[in-house]
Amino acid sequence: GAGVSQTPSNKVTEKGKYVELRCDPISGHTALYWYRQSLGQGPEFLIYFQGTGAADDSGLPNDRFFAVRPEGSVSTLKIQRTERGDSAVYLCASSFGPKGSPLHFGNGTRLTVT
Amino acid sequence: AQSVSQHNHHVILSEAASLELGCNYSYGGTVNLFWYVQYPGQHLQLLLKYFSGDPLVKGIKGFEAEFIKSKFSFNLRKPSVQWSDTAEYFCAVFNTGKLIFGQGTTLQVKP
Repeated sequence: GAGVSQTPSNKVTEKGKYVELRCDPISGHTALYWYRQSLGQGPEFLIYFQGTGAADDSGLPNDRFFAVRPEGSVSTLKIQRTERGDSAVYLCASSFGPKGSPLHFGNGTRLTVT
Repeated sequence: AQSVSQHNHHVILSEAASLELGCNYSYGGTVNLFWYVQYPGQHLQLLLKYFSGDPLVKGIKGFEAEFIKSKFSFNLRKPSVQWSDTAEYFCAVFNTGKLIFGQGTTLQVKP
């Protein structure tokens, strides 16, 4: 079946601009996660949703970052006033629930802020 | 806060050599533990997982890991590596609804 789909695969934007990154989870997965991965580092947790609500957003670095999942399926990560330090690969993952079910990851969106 | 530490950042082996990658976690309660692998140009994939029971867990492609509770460790092993095992390996612990990753180990296998 289809895996987790992330679009775009690459995004180049100028400092100060607004960007949206989209994630389509695996059908039937109720939990959706966003991570950020910098070169040479492991994925860093940002936020996760259980259904439509954000169950834990403790990893969002500041208020420029926001994510939504209005219908409990597709999610969008939004970054306002982008900074060069936001450049990274943004990963989305989904699972059947928050009880330790394995996460299935997408290929990520590589964000470059110039 | 929970954390995961992977001791080896970059490992280079020849084909047929044995592999052991170290992983330690900081959380003292019940944990679910994972190893993920990321092959060049591909997404993160689950290699194996430990929830409970037998502390020796077998995964895909001949990999296994041993959970040692007293040492807070979950080391990954493979008796004989292949060139196709060249990848980045991440240990992770699942706690309070989310997966916490280590910084990863890059494995390079020379043919």
